[in-house]
Amino acid sequence: SYELPQPPSVSLSPGQTARITCSGDALSNQAASWYQQRPGQAPLLVIYKDTERPSGIPERFSGSRSGTTVTLTISGVLAEDEGDYYCQSTDSLYNWVFGGGTKLTVL
Amino acid sequence: QVQLQESGPGLVKPSETLSLTCSVSGDSINTDQYYWSWIRQTPGKGLQWLGNIYNSGSTNYNPSLAGQVRILIDTSKNQFSLRMTSMTAADTAVYHCARAVRIATKRGYFQDWGQGTLVSVSS
Repeated sequence: SYELPQPPSVSLSPGQTARITCSGDALSNQAASWYQQRPGQAPLLVIYKDTERPSGIPERFSGSRSGTTVTLTISGVLAEDEGDYYCQSTDSLYNWVFGGGTKLTVL
Repeated sequence: QVQLQESGPGLVKPSETLSLTCSVSGDSINTDQYYWSWIRQTPGKGLQWLGNIYNSGSTNYNPSLAGQVRILIDTSKNQFSLRMTSMTAADTAVYHCARAVRIATKRGYFQDWGQGTLVSVSS
């Protein structure tokens, strides 16, 4: 099992808002980041330090935190947003951990 | 724009040692701002962090790999490498190298990734 549980899948129609959660003790006082992975491609950083967006990432991607749960929100999803999304953080023993991943399907 | 490129064998035999190299271009590897990392992804499954190395040579490994992993850095060649001993079929995966931004001691996030290289373990 993963230290950072994520829902295995999310499906929605274009234009809807996707919310992907990630929770766990590792997030109690450490920042989280999020990665998008399209099929056959390397992961791409989309959010870091819970809420920061790298340059070049569309504004529809945002991150938030409530306690030990972080959420990636994609407002107005597009077909190109399909893929797997992973959260990541570091635990109290300095292990870098990933969530199990969430498959986003745009119907 | 930094680029990372993995190289190494695509096939290793069970019990053998895997050696992979990550060549970094577009920036110096000898910087205090980043960790240099290896991550793998088993077919159809998620991501697993293997370990990091700092430009000083200090390392941090995934404890679940119980000493199987070693990461080295060669600043003169702008490269870092992964050695994994006692390979088994369960180690068949795509191996990525990555550059991680250091936000605190032994903490950070993966800013740049190599495309990855598939390593199969089979006799």
